[in-house]
Amino acid sequence: SQQGEEDPQALSIQEGENATMNCSYKTSINNLQWYRQNSGRGLVHLILIRSNEREKHSGRLRVTLDTSKKSSSLLITASRAADTASYFCATVGDSSYKLIFGSGTRLLVRP
Amino acid sequence: GAVVSQHPSRVICKSGTSVKIECRSLDFQATTMFWYRQFPKKSLMLMATSNEGSKATYEQGVEKDKFLINHASLTLSTLTVTSAHPEDSSFYICSAREVWASVGDTQYFGPGTRLTVL
Repeated sequence: SQQGEEDPQALSIQEGENATMNCSYKTSINNLQWYRQNSGRGLVHLILIRSNEREKHSGRLRVTLDTSKKSSSLLITASRAADTASYFCATVGDSSYKLIFGSGTRLLVRP
Repeated sequence: GAVVSQHPSRVICKSGTSVKIECRSLDFQATTMFWYRQFPKKSLMLMATSNEGSKATYEQGVEKDKFLINHASLTLSTLTVTSAHPEDSSFYICSAREVWASVGDTQYFGPGTRLTVL
């Protein structure tokens, strides 16, 4: 089963612009993770934010987590054409190791 | 870093045949491995949790007799798609959790296997 929805489903921006993707989930979590997937390829782990954290940065990535709203956002600053990919959030519950994925956002960065 | 491999990367088979996909943790031991399937332009759906030395736990709606999972060692889990049909065509991805990992730790993903059933 899927944990929740991501929006937008698809996003097209110009190189240099910022991209923001949102993720909502349904149950309590231990942590939330963001992954990138290039077309037809495996997953690349981007960042993990724990339930007691509100914001985390890694390079051009900024992730926020609002457990009261059961939502997270991923911001990619100064986007590049190489950032074109699908982005998925995934949650881990408190008592399970299982990763439950969101529906994903397809990002296109136009050069 | 922790590496997970899958073999084969691509497989094409005829309807009715069985296909085995291997998932290996190359430089760490994995008590638990997870199998996902992904349809084109869709998200990853967890199929089952594979535990070394015990039976796999399947998600609701996944036929355990159709998707046989064996986790015979701490570095290898296999998924066998039995009597494959065109609707089984999909991208199958595994992930592995290190033996000493806690609930909040990252899993490591394989590169995926593209199965096409003719």
